[in-house]
Amino acid sequence: NAGVMQNPRHLVRRRGQEARLRCSPMKGHSHVYWYRQLPEEGLKFMVYLQKENIIDESGMPKERFSAEFPKEGPSILRIQQVVRGDSAAYFCASSPPQISGANVLTFGAGSRLTVL
Amino acid sequence: QQQVKQSPQSLIVQKGGISIINCAYENTAFDYFPWYQQFPGKGPALLIAIRPDVSEKKEGRFTISFNKSAKQFSLHIMDSQPGDSATYFCAAKRGTSYDKVIFGPGTSLSVIP
Repeated sequence: NAGVMQNPRHLVRRRGQEARLRCSPMKGHSHVYWYRQLPEEGLKFMVYLQKENIIDESGMPKERFSAEFPKEGPSILRIQQVVRGDSAAYFCASSPPQISGANVLTFGAGSRLTVL
Repeated sequence: QQQVKQSPQSLIVQKGGISIINCAYENTAFDYFPWYQQFPGKGPALLIAIRPDVSEKKEGRFTISFNKSAKQFSLHIMDSQPGDSATYFCAAKRGTSYDKVIFGPGTSLSVIP
């Protein structure tokens, strides 16, 4: 079991370019979460997805950010027209179908985005 | 309401000492409280978790104490070791089936020899 796989691990973009971050959940996990971590800060929730369905996107900026988790393939977090403030580590986590209450998230190693 | 507060921001403990990290929440709908440990360059990993129907949970050197009436919970690391040096996040989640985990801002722990 390879765990949660994120790629790329490091991504450098110039202002105005697009960034695409990919996340393959653990085998058997159908729920994916994206979190953003700024330097010296905690994990900020962005979006929670199931296959082909967005459950909660309350943490996503209203513009330039989008996420999907298609029926086939990895989940993708897409940032259009990146700005320097988008520089951060983006973590993906996955979980099995939730039972009420307990929810063990398994995190990937993160994708570190640097915007020049 | 959705926030989880955490203190201290950073902590330095002597090897063999007790590390204590405190967290507080407002939303009484939270009913699952995990702690995650993160080493530099890695993703967070679940360390230990508690439900509010118990006041304490212990796993090895790690203990969570929970005070439901005060809406506070804390992590105690007994006999702290240099290998425990990491960032620790407390978190909370509501009891509904489909809900996100909310993280505290984190505590950077350094255990010095």
